[in-house]
Amino acid sequence: GAVVSQHPSWVICKSGTSVKIECRSLDFQATTMFWYRQFPKQSLMLMATSNEGSKATYEQGVEKDKFLINHASLTLSTLTVTSAHPEDSSFYICSALGRERTDPGEQYFGPGTRLTVT
Amino acid sequence: QKEVEQNSGPLSVPEGAIASLNCTYSDRGSQSFFWYRQYSGKSPELIMFIYSNGDKEDGRFTAQLNKASQYVSLLIRDSQPSDSATYLCAVNAGGFKTIFGAGTRLFVKA
Repeated sequence: GAVVSQHPSWVICKSGTSVKIECRSLDFQATTMFWYRQFPKQSLMLMATSNEGSKATYEQGVEKDKFLINHASLTLSTLTVTSAHPEDSSFYICSALGRERTDPGEQYFGPGTRLTVT
Repeated sequence: QKEVEQNSGPLSVPEGAIASLNCTYSDRGSQSFFWYRQYSGKSPELIMFIYSNGDKEDGRFTAQLNKASQYVSLLIRDSQPSDSATYLCAVNAGGFKTIFGAGTRLFVKA
């Protein structure tokens, strides 16, 4: 089956530093990847949609200069949280949509990255 | 603002019983509906998807869709303690966007 990995699985960083999270589709080509954020006991909130080779589309209220997304290849997308602050502490989850999938609901989710900013 | 509403629960059922999870959505134009299961600290995994009115069965799971009422449900038969998780209802909001409900926590008591 389709596998999506994320690295790191958890990270602790100091306020003001930047953190990069990688999302890889291991056995399929992902034309589209999604980045979500989930706070405790809340739902997944879509942050941005990235398509390989083009700029990401950010959801309303998500600062594109703070959350940098790069989808450099069909198997890798990265999310960089720049100048992280404690309020950025959350569970960040990526998902990928394979070439053969046309419905965005049929996404393959990565295991998530727990970010804690101190 | 397109929304997906779920009762946060917790919903507690005894082992072997049927668990019924409900979801309503606001966008009448939605065409695709999904149920995900999320264990604590883990990412969601897709259980079922349904596109047409009526019932769709897969093993112990049955998804039900009523577009006129803007209502989708998930039934879990013969509930097991391992089914204890948060169940997320998700709706395609057009294009590549999927909107998730906040989830219903299910506890299956052994």
